[in-house]
Amino acid sequence: GGIITQTPKFLIGQEGQKLTLKCQQNFNHDTMYWYRQDSGKGLRLIYYSITENDLQKGDLSEGYDASREKKSSFSLTVTSAQKNEMAVFLCASSMGDWGTPSAETLYFGSGTRLTVL
Amino acid sequence: GMPVEQNPPALSLYEGADSGLRCNFSTTMKSVQWFQQNHRGRLITLFYLAQGTKENGRLKSTFNSKERYSTLHIKDAQLEDSGTYFCAAENMGYKLTFGTGTSLLVDP
Repeated sequence: GGIITQTPKFLIGQEGQKLTLKCQQNFNHDTMYWYRQDSGKGLRLIYYSITENDLQKGDLSEGYDASREKKSSFSLTVTSAQKNEMAVFLCASSMGDWGTPSAETLYFGSGTRLTVL
Repeated sequence: GMPVEQNPPALSLYEGADSGLRCNFSTTMKSVQWFQQNHRGRLITLFYLAQGTKENGRLKSTFNSKERYSTLHIKDAQLEDSGTYFCAAENMGYKLTFGTGTSLLVDP
């Protein structure tokens, strides 16, 4: 088995601040994802990466940057934190061979909870 | 409308009861996944379906791509089943579209 580790678990920032969230996986998965979860809403895709150094925009990429430094890690940067913003950011990974059922299953980290004062 | 509509938004059951959750899709989807989010916030994959029906213990899920829906049935609900359940569907490769979730509370 493997695990996805997100750091930090809780992040408190100031308006306008640049904030970075980190994600590590030891599944040896090719594809990694960043999702945002707002209260009462489903998850929305921010960025994903199908291999090292690859970046693909999701539906919510504006206001964020991402970096796939190596196969096991995927970081997300909030470029300018918005006042009173509160959300949970979830990192996930999959084998990524879409079209192969077992490879499409997502595995999630436990999230980073962001609060902007 | 929303590409993935999930119902009900909230559900309360007594231990031992059976119930079902449903997701309707506005377009044809290639696959669906069901997740449970526990009280700590972690999402756990319950099912991946490209078609048909799968069972795992007290859970059963069906995906009908042609009719554009998927269901998750919980039998003999237990306290530990409490949490939020999400369906997520894929039709474009790599990009899942999530439903808004069903908050399930199981009472003794």
